[in-house]
Formats: sequence, structure tokens, C-alpha cells
Amino acid sequence: DIQMTQSPSSLSASVGDRVTITCQASQDISNYLNWYRQKPGKAPELLINDALSLQTGVPSRFSGSGSGTDFTFTINSLQPEDLATYYCQQYDNLPPTFGGGTKVEIK
Amino acid sequence: QVQLVESGGGVVQPGRSLRLSCAASGFSFSDYGMHWVRQAPGQGLEWVAIIWYDDSKRYYVDSVKGRFTISRDNSKNKLYLQMNSLRAEDTAVYYCGRDPGSGEGLIDHWGQGILVTVSS
Repeated sequence: DIQMTQSPSSLSASVGDRVTITCQASQDISNYLNWYRQKPGKAPELLINDALSLQTGVPSRFSGSGSGTDFTFTINSLQPEDLATYYCQQYDNLPPTFGGGTKVEIK
Repeated sequence: QVQLVESGGGVVQPGRSLRLSCAASGFSFSDYGMHWVRQAPGQGLEWVAIIWYDDSKRYYVDSVKGRFTISRDNSKNKLYLQMNSLRAEDTAVYYCGRDPGSGEGLIDHWGQGILVTVSS
């Protein structure tokens, strides 16, 4: 199975800050990398697919980049409603595997 | 709009069985692969199983192989997860999810989740 290493596991930032989360795959997954957001007590929701494609309706302050084994998720200008845990997920090979998550808190 | 609603959760003793259902609406169910993903209390997401849009393929995470069975009824727009020989470590919120492909691994819509507690 492909292992996904996500970092940091948690972070605290101020409104307006730029936040960056990284995800590393244990082998080349091309661009088969997705990012999900899970707000407290809610189901996950897809934000970005195929490393950089923003889902319809997702604010443009969210972005993704990378290919191969190294990927980055960025929130430009953090907002209070961005309080959530964010997960990367690869789907190059079955089983699909998730990173451990990054809990984003607002200072 | 796409809607996925899980049901069938609850408290069950170790070794017993439980069947989860996921009712789908707002899209052509028979055209999409479907997933089950779970989340143990306070933990991250763990993918559980996938079924292809036409039921031609099914795939499971190793920890549930031989105990869980994913199935679907395209005439009823329903997805199922039959869970047998349940263990304490199966305690989790279970989510069903839609795959925008036939069964590739991307999940673009999720249900609200249903809690399964395995305890004596």
C-alpha cells in the first residue's frame, strides 16, 4: 500500500496568514492526489482533485501543487471558517490511502 | 443535488453482525462507483471498500477482508456494507461516498456518516 505522510499534524495561525501543508507519497503517484477538508463534527468534503484542480465553489484562497511524491496545499489569507482538519489522499493505486491529517486552528 | 444518507448503525456486541445502508439521490447512481470510508473516534480517515458502478469489481482494505462485504442495488439506488465478526477496532463513524469515475478512488460527495459502536 502507498503511505501518505502529511505534515504538520497541527498548526495554529492568525487570520490573514498563509498556511502550507505538505504531503509526501511513499512512491510516485503522478498527480493522483486529492485534498479534503473536514470541519468539526461534519463529513469530509473534497476541495482539490488531481493535485491542483479546485472544486466548483471552493474559494480561490485554496490551492494545491506538486506531482510525483511531493505535494503542497496552501490557504492564502486564512479565514475563521477554515478551522478544520485537512487530509491528503492518493488514488493512484488501490487501496486509496489518506494522510494522517492536519488540524488547523485559528489563533 | 447529490445526497447520500447512511443508516443502520448502532451498538453491537463483538462477534456480531450489522448491515449499513446508503440511500443515494440526485444523480444516476448506476453510473458511479461507490465507497465506504470510516473514522474511529478522534482518529483520521480510513478507506474501507469500493464497488465499481456495474458491480464488476470490489476491493477492501486488508483489515476487513473476509469479514465485510460491499454491495449495491442499482434498481433501488442503494449501497450496502455487510459487517460480520465485528471487533472493537471496527468502532467508527462510517461514511459512504460517491466516486465520479467508475471506481477510481476519488470521492466527490460524502454522506453525513453513521456511528457503529462495537462493545459488550
